Amino acid sequence: DIQMTQSPSTLSASVGDRVTITCRASQTISGWLAWYQQKPGKAPNLLIYEASSLESGVPSRFSGSGSGTEFTLTINSLQPDDFAIYFCQQYNSFPYTFGQGTKLESK
Amino acid sequence: QVHLVQSGTEVKKPGASVKVSCKTSGYTFTNYYIHWVRQAPGHGLEWVGIINPTGGSTTYAQRFQGRVTMTSDTSTTTVYMDLSSLTSDDTAVYYCARVETYPDYWGQGTLVTVSS
Repeated sequence: DIQMTQSPSTLSASVGDRVTITCRASQTISGWLAWYQQKPGKAPNLLIYEASSLESGVPSRFSGSGSGTEFTLTINSLQPDDFAIYFCQQYNSFPYTFGQGTKLESK
Repeated sequence: QVHLVQSGTEVKKPGASVKVSCKTSGYTFTNYYIHWVRQAPGHGLEWVGIINPTGGSTTYAQRFQGRVTMTSDTSTTTVYMDLSSLTSDDTAVYYCARVETYPDYWGQGTLVTVSS
């Protein structure tokens, strides 16, 4: 199975900050990576697919980059609504696997 | 509008089985796979498996092999996940999600609690 390692596990930031979350795959997954935002009691919400493509309706302050084994999610100019948990997921091969999550909290 | 609507909360005893449904609408049912993911309380996301509604072929995560069965009903555009021999470790919210190449639309989740 492909292991996905996310860092950091917790990130403290303020409104207006720029933050970056990293996801590393244990083997190459080309660009088959998605990023999700999850809020308490809700299903994950797709932000980015194919490593860098912005899902329709997602604000442009969210961006993704990377390929192979190293990927990043960047949020520019943090907004109050962005404090949540973020997960990466590889869909290169079964079983699809997730990072352990990054909790973005208000400083 | 794409919608995936899951069945309601379940409470089961250890050793029992649970069947969760995922009713889809707003798109061509047979054009997309459905995957199932679970999330134990306070934990991350765990992939359970995937089904192709056309023909019903499935792939399950190894740890669920022999305990999980996914099926589809094209007449009602509904997908089902059946999990047997439940233990307390199966207590989680179970999500279905539509898969293009990537999972895009998700159901609201179904809480399954396993308790004696």
